Amino acid sequence: RKEVEQDPGPFNVPEGATVAFNCTYSNSASQSFFWYRQDCRKEPKLLMSVYSSGNEDGRFTAQLNRASQYISLLIRDSKLSDSATYLCVVPIKAAGNKLTFGGGTRVLVKP
Amino acid sequence: NAGVMQNPRHLVRRRGQEARLRCSPMKGHSHVYWYRQLPEEGLKFMVYLQKENIIDESGMPKERFSAEFPKEGPSILRIQQVVRGDSAAYFCASSSTGTGYNEQFFGPGTRLTVL
Repeated sequence: RKEVEQDPGPFNVPEGATVAFNCTYSNSASQSFFWYRQDCRKEPKLLMSVYSSGNEDGRFTAQLNRASQYISLLIRDSKLSDSATYLCVVPIKAAGNKLTFGGGTRVLVKP
Repeated sequence: NAGVMQNPRHLVRRRGQEARLRCSPMKGHSHVYWYRQLPEEGLKFMVYLQKENIIDESGMPKERFSAEFPKEGPSILRIQQVVRGDSAAYFCASSSTGTGYNEQFFGPGTRLTVL
């Protein structure tokens, strides 16, 4: 089993709709999780941190389910500018916080 | 406050040549991480350095790859005798500490193409 797994998509989303997708992780000891956003051929940028059960920031909501070892990201009222690849990231605290990335979920928001 | 800087942004090498990728962390950051992203794949950790020290190189290929972060100057990722499979985007990230979680800020990446 991969350390961090994501559905690669693409998720084709009508503008204004809601989209949600999950990420599963294998290390039950992981305490913190992150969603990064990566635009085509650009560097990853931090979108949200998830430390407890969840986090909400505007149209974005991240939730953590420790029992089932997954985190989810929900985007409400999708904008065209939300089109990107969303990377699920788990830092390995025992190793200087090196980041383990999922393969990414591609989201395409269409008019 | 300038962000993480990487150069060159694009690098083309022929098989067998050497590639040197440079990374200047954000001001005040002494922790540097290198990641590689192969085409159509996710980012993979390569090496973690703190000034003059390699802390974790568990993601580095055993041969041809090396990294350094000298007391003065940028961090360097060096790939000797490049092969076509080395073609990828190489991202550098920096953070202010390596304990607890501090956000890693990524540079724009160096895209290496091996002909």
